[in-house]
Amino acid sequence: AQSVTQLDSQVPVFEEAPVELRCNYSSSVSVYLFWYVQYPNQGLQLLLKYLSGSTLVKGINGFEAEFNKSQTSFHLRKPSVHISDTAEYFCAVRRLGGATNKLIFGTGTLLAVQP
Amino acid sequence: DVKVTQSSRYLVKRTGEKVFLECVQDMDHENMFWYRQDPGLGLRLIYFSYDVKMKEKGDIPEGYSVSREKKERFSLILESASTNQTSMYLCASSSRVTGLNEGTQYFGPGTRLLVL
Repeated sequence: AQSVTQLDSQVPVFEEAPVELRCNYSSSVSVYLFWYVQYPNQGLQLLLKYLSGSTLVKGINGFEAEFNKSQTSFHLRKPSVHISDTAEYFCAVRRLGGATNKLIFGTGTLLAVQP
Repeated sequence: DVKVTQSSRYLVKRTGEKVFLECVQDMDHENMFWYRQDPGLGLRLIYFSYDVKMKEKGDIPEGYSVSREKKERFSLILESASTNQTSMYLCASSSRVTGLNEGTQYFGPGTRLLVL
């Protein structure tokens, strides 16, 4: 079985500062990894995904994430945040292969960008 | 662009009522999912469907049922709503997993349900 841990439930940061949102996963098999963003009162939007290949993945809105297999991590980063980045961010994992694409989600990290 | 729509953004129901939440996708996706989202718990899978009339239980199916009579529509049913089912409900859809397609899930805007 797979599991996802997002240790930080909230991350306050000032506008234009860099940010890192942490995600660690546990799995006995290879996995795909995803970051989704949820803006206030909206559904989830795919930010980026790691399937294979380069461990540095670039997504929308200037975000990127790095897959680290040895540390079983997939941390999300942005060098300079904007007020509009205020949202909840979810890390998710699913096993490689298999007939279904069920996702296991972390508990989410609320990014609060302050002016 | 993939579009997943949910019939209501906000819903208020009374304990014991039968509640229907509807989800429609326009991308001819085979797979559809229902999640509930609660603070501090993230998203938890209630049910999913991989074809018309096919369904599988997720992690928290108790108190819920689903219906998929047409490919584009997936309904979540609360047979007798209870206060502990007050939550945000999110629907998602994806194409079938193949060698070329990993089946990324696309989400609707959610339905916030309050059971009084």
